[in-house]
Amino acid sequence: EPEVTQTPSHQVTQMGQEVILRCVPISNHLYFYWYRQILGQKVEFLVSFYNNEISEKSEIFDDQFSVERPDGSNFTLKIRSTKLEDSAMYFCASSGYRGSNQPQHFGDGTRLSIL
Amino acid sequence: GENVEQHPSTLSVQEGDSAVIKCTYSDSASNYFPWYKQELGKRPQLIIDIRSNVGEKKDQRIAVTLNKTAKHFSLHITETQPEDSAVYFCAASLSNFNKFYFGSGTKLNVKP
Repeated sequence: EPEVTQTPSHQVTQMGQEVILRCVPISNHLYFYWYRQILGQKVEFLVSFYNNEISEKSEIFDDQFSVERPDGSNFTLKIRSTKLEDSAMYFCASSGYRGSNQPQHFGDGTRLSIL
Repeated sequence: GENVEQHPSTLSVQEGDSAVIKCTYSDSASNYFPWYKQELGKRPQLIIDIRSNVGEKKDQRIAVTLNKTAKHFSLHITETQPEDSAVYFCAASLSNFNKFYFGSGTKLNVKP
């Protein structure tokens, strides 16, 4: 069964540095998402991406964050000037075309630790 | 915006018993309600979903019920097995491709 893959599985970064989290969505999917889960809290929506542009974003997704689909397979989340409170598990997800019944498939996540 | 509440936060059952996890949502526009299972260190995996035009859906030992009037939906697992032990998340959304609002999760422990 096709899977969403994320790299790295664990990223440790000094506060203030920039990080890029990478995702390879399922190949025929058109909608891409980033969610995050701070330890002990709910999974929270960050952003959705469709047709090479952001389709929706949450209040969390401020100017510190950006997403990109640099080629036909990767979908990245960049976090600039990282803060301690950015430490969380970040999940990438993808889903099929509008009107399909395909659910959102999640990757294994990247655990981001800001020191 | 949508707010999803999930209960209980932990649930311990004996193998073979049933388990029920309940969620409520606030936005009457929500139409799609998936349930994900997350084993320790692994990705959330969809186990069942339901759309608002259906009141109940069943897949082997797993069933989901939806009450749109009351804005709540529940996951039912019958004949639980130790491998059902995991964290279960409910979610609500306008559709399968819109953003998901997740509940806070239920840690299910099935004792052999």
